[in-house]
Amino acid sequence: QVQLQESGPGLVKPSETLSLTCTVSGGSISSYYWSWIRQPAGKGLEWIGRIYTSGSTNYNPSLKSRVTMSVDTSKNQFSLKLSSVTAADTAVYYCARIRHSGYDSWGQGTLVTVSS
Amino acid sequence: QSALTQPASVSGSPGQSITISCTGTSSDVGSYNLVSWYQQHPGKAPKLMIYEGSKRPSGVSNRFSGSKSGNTASLTISGLQAEDEADYYCCSYAGSSSFVFGTGTKVTVL
Repeated sequence: QVQLQESGPGLVKPSETLSLTCTVSGGSISSYYWSWIRQPAGKGLEWIGRIYTSGSTNYNPSLKSRVTMSVDTSKNQFSLKLSSVTAADTAVYYCARIRHSGYDSWGQGTLVTVSS
Repeated sequence: QSALTQPASVSGSPGQSITISCTGTSSDVGSYNLVSWYQQHPGKAPKLMIYEGSKRPSGVSNRFSGSKSGNTASLTISGLQAEDEADYYCCSYAGSSSFVFGTGTKVTVL
């Protein structure tokens, strides 16, 4: 059973860049799409984007100008960068695997707070 | 790309059946049979319950079923149990290689 684990700073200052990494264990990162999804406290899920192991990316149009995703197959990791963050970007960030157009494996989530 | 519309809350007694709707548009739910459903307990990551509209992953109870009519997808939970109390989210492929989630529904077992 594949397992995902998010890692990165829990506190980011406004206007700076949020950086998170998702480490995949128990299986290969290859030949799948991988996604980032976030959830502000008490609110719903928001799709941030996805990356294929070739490096091909697709982003939420509302975040596209600020999002960059990358993948490192040698480390079985993929990453998220979100620039120019504001308090509105405070949320639990999840990484997840896409299989048959469903998110079948999820990380436990990591809370990122944007505050000075 | 607007969030899919779900009722804020649905409730039922143990043993009853409930249905959660997920309304989108002809650009997302209506155009693709790629709706998935997720169960989320407090403080936990979401869990895939239905994919491709009506398919259940291995290990998911057959009390959960999915369907679609036009621009609206539905999740039905039959034989409602206390452990089904959670938040539920739908998600649809929205074209242009993007996805959109629903607003979420809180299911309460009375």
